[in-house]
Amino acid sequence: QTVVTQEPSFSVSPGGTVTLTCGLNSGSVSTSYYPSWYQQTPGQAPRTLIYNTNTRSSGVPDRISGSILGNKAALTITGAQADDESDYYCLLYMGSGIYVFGTGTKVTVL
Amino acid sequence: QVQLVESGGGVVQPGRSLRLSCAASGFTFSSYGIHWVRQAPGKGLEWVAVIWYDGSKKYHADSVKGRFTISRDNSKNTLYLQMNSLRADDTAVYYCARWGLQSSIDYWGRGTLVTVSS
Repeated sequence: QTVVTQEPSFSVSPGGTVTLTCGLNSGSVSTSYYPSWYQQTPGQAPRTLIYNTNTRSSGVPDRISGSILGNKAALTITGAQADDESDYYCLLYMGSGIYVFGTGTKVTVL
Repeated sequence: QVQLVESGGGVVQPGRSLRLSCAASGFTFSSYGIHWVRQAPGKGLEWVAVIWYDGSKKYHADSVKGRFTISRDNSKNTLYLQMNSLRADDTAVYYCARWGLQSSIDYWGRGTLVTVSS
């Protein structure tokens, strides 16, 4: 069974930088998985941040970026702000019409 | 603007059926694939199913395969999720979401809550 792993939680200081990762229990994440990233605050629908590894969705500031780091997809937030405090999920396309979300990372800004 | 509005959620007993709907507006519905994604209370997002823009292909997660069926009516701009043999672990908010560029999701509905309980 495919498991997409993310760090359970991260804490970042205001103005600081945090990098979240998205890995596979078996194998490496590459651009072929078309990794995308979503932000969700409690009680709200998710918001799309990044698609196709590193393309920002409309309205997403350039202090948020996506990449491949080693064998994982990564989401980097620089200049962290209070409203970055959210849950973040990656999504991988596994092929054959199947998608899998990551386990999610809770980011705290304090 | 793009809008996706889910409906049909509620409380249902284990083993029973329920059909969710997602009404789309603000874009050419028949040109886009659509996903169902769910989120159990206090848990993460789980991809459930996707349907091609023309309904020609459908894919379901293993956790729902054989019990849930995604479908669409492009004449009504509406997506459906037929859920049969419901279990307690199907309890979740169910979101419909538009297939975006490069295998992503670009727009989300607000979700509808399904509670499976006796």
